[in-house]
Amino acid sequence: QQQVRQSPQSLTVWEGETAILNCSYENSAFDYFPWYQQFPGEGPALLIAIRSVSDKKEDGRFTIFFNKREKKLSLHITDSQPGDSATYFCAASGGSNAKLTFGKGTKLSVKS
Amino acid sequence: GPKVLQIPSHQIIDMGQMVTLNCDPVSNHLYFYWYKQILGQQMEFLVNFYNGKVMEKSKLFKDQFSVERPDGSYFTLKIQPTALEDSAVYFCASSFGDNTGQLYFGEGSKLTVL
Repeated sequence: QQQVRQSPQSLTVWEGETAILNCSYENSAFDYFPWYQQFPGEGPALLIAIRSVSDKKEDGRFTIFFNKREKKLSLHITDSQPGDSATYFCAASGGSNAKLTFGKGTKLSVKS
Repeated sequence: GPKVLQIPSHQIIDMGQMVTLNCDPVSNHLYFYWYKQILGQQMEFLVNFYNGKVMEKSKLFKDQFSVERPDGSYFTLKIQPTALEDSAVYFCASSFGDNTGQLYFGEGSKLTVL
């Protein structure tokens, strides 16, 4: 049972374009949704996060859009750069437990 | 930012041997986690640990697995005996609180079981 789903599995965009990464979840108790960025051979690093009381969170070129009713969220990366090429994981946690449940990731390639 | 250190970065062992993976969490963090990742795919939760006790463990946390943090030293994951399917990258993470959700991950320990 996959509690956090991500799509697409892989995505290629040109430098300067906007990359859109999608995520959906099943557990209504989830209320915190971080996105992690992982480069090959490294650990995941927190990129940006949103709580379920908000519908949008922006940090520079990275924006999360959140739809609680549909249990969906998306990460938008504007003006994509080759250095953004990485795997992006959507994760979720809720209640009194900070344990994160991860999606399977979206591998982003930005071509110049 | 805060750093979680993991030792070793890579270990190769024969099936049936014991292995201990070490984690030095962020200094003021209280909650500790182990995740398993195979081939850069999904991060699978194994176990979390607080105040000297396992709080929750997943089905992947087999009887051969154990965790401890003796006297505030390294937070360790021990596998005894190892099996071929234990080959993976194991990530340690830590957090300050139990509901902040902000986990900091180490660089991972790649385990290869032959």
